[in-house]
Amino acid sequence: RKEVEQDPGPFNVPEGATVAFNCTYSNSASQSFFWYRQDCRKEPKLLMSVYSSGNEDGRFTAQLNRASQYISLLIRDSKLSDSATYLCVVNRNNNDMRFGAGTRLTVKP
Amino acid sequence: NAGVTQTPKFQVLKTGQSMTLQCAQDMNHNSMYWYRQDPGMGLRLIYYSASEGTTDKGEVPNGYNVSRLNKREFSLRLESAAPSQTSVYFCASSLTGPPAEQFFGPGTRLTVL
Repeated sequence: RKEVEQDPGPFNVPEGATVAFNCTYSNSASQSFFWYRQDCRKEPKLLMSVYSSGNEDGRFTAQLNRASQYISLLIRDSKLSDSATYLCVVNRNNNDMRFGAGTRLTVKP
Repeated sequence: NAGVTQTPKFQVLKTGQSMTLQCAQDMNHNSMYWYRQDPGMGLRLIYYSASEGTTDKGEVPNGYNVSRLNKREFSLRLESAAPSQTSVYFCASSLTGPPAEQFFGPGTRLTVL
């Protein structure tokens, strides 16, 4: 079983839709959590960190449920430019980051 | 300000050949990382360097060596390439270790025949 699991998708949604991704992690000692975004054939870039109380950045909302060991990302009012692969990332301890395989999102006009 | 740069962008090797992937960052970051990305697997950490002069193994270190040449540069060496090392290799850096944001280079696409 992978340490960080994501639904690979693809999620195909119309512009303006709300879409949610989930991610589960197996190591209960994990300390910090992130969502990275990766465009096709490009490098990953940090989208947002995920805090225990949940956090929002514009149209993006991230939630963490430590008891159930899952992280979620909600995107509201989807834009064409949101089309990308979203990587769930979990930090077990210093310098040991574990990446999920990613969830692919396509936003269509 | 170039961020993280990697050379080469593409490389084709024959089984048994050696090569070194170069990485440099101009952000004065302390920590640097090498990852590989394979379809359906996500990024996996090969080696990291928490600071100049130190290196440590990550999740998949076998078949690789690294050198933290100075604060800016972190190279990855394949001594005897194997087809299983066909992958996209990303170098990254961060000011400190996690949870600091990691900044990635554009990647090197390596094919081993």
